[in-house]
Amino acid sequence: QKEVEQNSGPLSVPEGAIASLNCTYSDRGSQSFFWYRQYSGKSPELIMSIYSNGDKEDGRFTAQLNKASQYVSLLIRDSQPSDSATYLCAVKWNNAGNMLTFGGGTRLMVKP
Amino acid sequence: DVKVTQSSRYLVKRTGEKVFLECVQDMDHENMFWYRQDPGLGLRLIYFSYDVKMKEKGDIPEGYSVSREKKERFSLILESASTNQTSMYLCASGPSGSRTDTQYFGPGTRLTVL
Repeated sequence: QKEVEQNSGPLSVPEGAIASLNCTYSDRGSQSFFWYRQYSGKSPELIMSIYSNGDKEDGRFTAQLNKASQYVSLLIRDSQPSDSATYLCAVKWNNAGNMLTFGGGTRLMVKP
Repeated sequence: DVKVTQSSRYLVKRTGEKVFLECVQDMDHENMFWYRQDPGLGLRLIYFSYDVKMKEKGDIPEGYSVSREKKERFSLILESASTNQTSMYLCASGPSGSRTDTQYFGPGTRLTVL
């Protein structure tokens, strides 16, 4: 079992809908969680971080963390075709310095 | 803004050639990383460095070496390139690991070995 798991997708949503991307992780004393967006042929770009249980909102993006259930999710409201990309979940474990463990990514397709 | 640059966006080399990929960051970050990314395999860590002249192996160091002579620069070296090293290579940097610190990626180098 991988330490950080994501459904590879593609997840297809219509324009204007809410896209929900999920990530589960193994229990290794996880500390911090990050979401990166990666357009095809480009490098990952940090879009959200979350450290405590609950929700964190930034514009159209909401990150949700539930440490008891070991999952973190990213909601994208009012999805746009420009949101079509692969979304990578990354976990920083306790005592791991600045090392991140990445999930395999979920490909999101937003259809006009 | 954090800026991480890589020496080339696209590179084509021949089998057996020595290949240098360079990465420079301008944020005085202690940590630097080299990953490769392949379809279906995700991001895989090759090497990382947490200080000048320090290096640590990642998950797939075989066939690669690194050099960090200055804090801002981290080089990845393919001593004798092989076709299975055709990949997207991504450099990242980040400050020392407090809870909120993360990694910032350069634009990537797509390397093709013929």
